[in-house]
Amino acid sequence: DTEVTQTPKHLVMGMTNKKSLKCEQHMGHRAMYWYKQKAKKPPELMFVYSYEKLSINESVPSRFSPECPNSSLLNLHLHALQPEDSALYLCASSLGQGSGTGELFFGEGSRLTVL
Amino acid sequence: AQSVTQLGSHVSVSEGALVLLRCNYSSSVPPYLFWYVQYPNQGLQLLLKYTTGATLVKGINGFEAEFKKSETSFHLTKPSAHMSDAAEYFCAVSDPRGYQKVTFGTGTKLQVIP
Repeated sequence: DTEVTQTPKHLVMGMTNKKSLKCEQHMGHRAMYWYKQKAKKPPELMFVYSYEKLSINESVPSRFSPECPNSSLLNLHLHALQPEDSALYLCASSLGQGSGTGELFFGEGSRLTVL
Repeated sequence: AQSVTQLGSHVSVSEGALVLLRCNYSSSVPPYLFWYVQYPNQGLQLLLKYTTGATLVKGINGFEAEFKKSETSFHLTKPSAHMSDAAEYFCAVSDPRGYQKVTFGTGTKLQVIP
């Protein structure tokens, strides 16, 4: 059982749609991450939130907009996506800077298809 | 800067045979090292990790890995493969000074032949 919960598991959207991916953890972790994973590739880091503040943005296009409403929740807002954005989007959490070892706890992912 | 190289994008073993997945790293400081496993259409799950101390680390499902600083390696082994081990395996490295940025290897797909 994963302790990082992602919704929805599958999402199909058109290029003009606005949708959101949601992630929740209740492990008391203070760092949360969004990764993008294409088929047969490793996860690519998109964003890192540390103590609810955006600490890393890996030059992700503005059509992806992250939000961290509180220490347990992480959202990824999607708007005007392109077909090449179709991928598995993984949320992860870790204890946080200065704590632990950076071990990541992943959710099961949200499979996004952009038509 | 840090990086990870996984030799062999695809490894096939017979059920009951030794599993050996290779990982070499590059890091300017002693790194934290991880092996993650990913089953189809799922997220990644930590198998084991090396931070400090004992260089032979044991993980879940009978896997273990040995940190060899002189060889900059962190190979993953399991004495006897099981069908349920078929999955994608990722080696990863992070910098203890600021480990928010984890660098993943390209992955090795393990096939177990009955």
